[in-house]
Amino acid sequence: EAGVVQSPRYKIIEKKQPVAFWCNPISGHNTLYWYRQNLGQGPELLIRYENEEAVDDSQLPKDRFSAERLKGVDSTLKIQPAELGDSAVYLCASSPGETSGVTNEQFFGPGTRLTVL
Amino acid sequence: KQEVTQIPAALSVPEGENLVLNCSFTDSAIYNLQWFRQDPGKGLTSLLLIQSSQREQTSGRLNASLDKSSGRSTLYIAASQPGDSATYLCAVADDYKLSFGAGTTVTVRA
Repeated sequence: EAGVVQSPRYKIIEKKQPVAFWCNPISGHNTLYWYRQNLGQGPELLIRYENEEAVDDSQLPKDRFSAERLKGVDSTLKIQPAELGDSAVYLCASSPGETSGVTNEQFFGPGTRLTVL
Repeated sequence: KQEVTQIPAALSVPEGENLVLNCSFTDSAIYNLQWFRQDPGKGLTSLLLIQSSQREQTSGRLNASLDKSSGRSTLYIAASQPGDSATYLCAVADDYKLSFGAGTTVTVRA
């Protein structure tokens, strides 16, 4: 079974430039998460989707961050404009979802390491 | 707000020694607890998930215990190997949101 796929794996940009990250979850997983992991810390949730609906975006900095999951499968996270403090690893995860009846174990992708210069 | 703490932040042991990694959390009303492994520059690999109704979970050389009343979980790795060197993260689920600790970085010396 294929795992969570993310691209690109690495991205280096100048501050004030836009950047986008892509995620394809495990097939059949209804729930998709975006996390941000700063160096030496654990990941922090940015947004959670149930199918195409963003059910928890309380931690997403909406002035510069946006996300979409138009068909309830793959998702894109965008930052515009990027700031120096956005340098981090952006992780995507998926789980079967609320209606699956199975445990909410989350499976993570390899992440995108963003460096803002 | 759920706070998750992992102590120690780093650990170095000789090969063959058993590893004991600690995780504590402040709110005992949890849905489940997951232990993850993270290799440098990589994503997170799920090791074990313990449901709130369970007290322990085992997989091969790994055993994780959960004591909700005291807000603690312990990950045991038996007979450590150099390949076990990684950062181990504990995460507590409040419904569908995971709150992570900062991790324990383990080095197993050959």
